[in-house]
Amino acid sequence: KAGVTQTPRYLIKTRGQQVTLSCSPISGHRSVSWYQQTPGQGLQFLFEYFSETQRNKGNFPGRFSGRQFSNSRSEMNVSTLELGDSALYLCASSLEVAGSTGELFFGEGSRLTVL
Amino acid sequence: KNEVEQSPQNLTAQEGEFITINCSYSVGISALHWLQQHPGGGIVSLFMLSSGKKKHGRLIATINIQEKHSSLHITASHPRDSAVYICAVSGSNYQLIWGAGTKLIIKP
Repeated sequence: KAGVTQTPRYLIKTRGQQVTLSCSPISGHRSVSWYQQTPGQGLQFLFEYFSETQRNKGNFPGRFSGRQFSNSRSEMNVSTLELGDSALYLCASSLEVAGSTGELFFGEGSRLTVL
Repeated sequence: KNEVEQSPQNLTAQEGEFITINCSYSVGISALHWLQQHPGGGIVSLFMLSSGKKKHGRLIATINIQEKHSSLHITASHPRDSAVYICAVSGSNYQLIWGAGTKLIIKP
């Protein structure tokens, strides 16, 4: 069974540019959540999608957006990049179990560097 | 006050020691997750539990719903257990609330 796949793994952008990151969940998982992790910091929740709908959202500015497609693949976009957006972006997929978030499966992450 | 508190923030121990990491939460939950993140960045789910106790190898996780508290224990700790251990709770509307993590270092 294939795991969660994130692309690209590494990318370098300059301030003001925009970036799109992709996450393919485990087959059958309909929930995809995104996280930002900066050096030495914990996971900061960005948003969660379920069946193409944004179900939960963290406290990030509107420059951060996402979407989910009918095959559950998800993308997140950051516009007008700032230096502080340099981080590891992780996505996780899960099944729902009895009305609760099921076991989480994380991808390897996309490491974004903004120059 | 954070809704999910982990303690200690940092823990250094000698190989072979029994390790306990604690997680307290203040919200109603449907499940609690323990995860491990190694220095390379990859995150692995260790346990998901809503009551009682679960064991996997040298790892044991317990939860007390009435006291809103969970513990992660590592028996016979080994340097390869060095990682950040993260607690997260599944609250209303499937929202996950994350602890800040506990950085564990096991010295040989």
